[in-house]
Amino acid sequence: DAKTTQPTSMDCAEGRAANLPCNHSTISGNEYVYWYRQIHSQGPQYIIHGLKNNETNEMASLIITEDRKSSTLILPHATLRDTAVYYCIVRPRGGGTSYGKLTFGQGTILTVHP
Amino acid sequence: DTAVSQTPKYLVTQMGNDKSIKCEQNLGHDTMYWYKQDSKKFLKIMFSYNNKELIINETVPNRFSPKSPDKAHLNLHINSLELGDSAVYFCASSQGDRGGYGYTFGSGTRLTVV
Repeated sequence: DAKTTQPTSMDCAEGRAANLPCNHSTISGNEYVYWYRQIHSQGPQYIIHGLKNNETNEMASLIITEDRKSSTLILPHATLRDTAVYYCIVRPRGGGTSYGKLTFGQGTILTVHP
Repeated sequence: DTAVSQTPKYLVTQMGNDKSIKCEQNLGHDTMYWYKQDSKKFLKIMFSYNNKELIINETVPNRFSPKSPDKAHLNLHINSLELGDSAVYFCASSQGDRGGYGYTFGSGTRLTVV
């Protein structure tokens, strides 16, 4: 699975957009970008994923650069409840030698303040 | 209705004891996992089971023995507990290896060995 690099921490004001970057310069053609978050004392929660097109769901938007070497998770109107650790994971969809394994890095600690 | 439930939520025990953590999922998934999150907050996979068959064993000490009586359950038994086993253990499930989409985690079991 490709290695990812994320900032250690970020701050965001409540109601503003939170833009969380992720670098994955060694991503290969069959690897998707997945985002999870972990709110304090809870298990990780799936947010969104994408291959090359931008994606949007009820939680967030995912912008992937044309060369696919980086992506940005956007929480359009951050709330205090969005304070969490956000993980960017890159891996192929299905099969491979590490069946089902998600590799979590350090992630980005996002703090949303009033 | 909790999708992935773990019991107990907290477990405090003495060194040398044997303990078990139970996990059940009601999502109809065929793959289940155990992850460990240590004091530095790194989240690492320990085991995965697909249709009751062990798929991944990430060089976990033999003192850890997962057991999957059926697709909906994956229990973790730990023998001769050591101080270093103190961590939060998360159970998760997915329908096959879908890359990273739709993995559902439990709320964790905080194990403290004294």
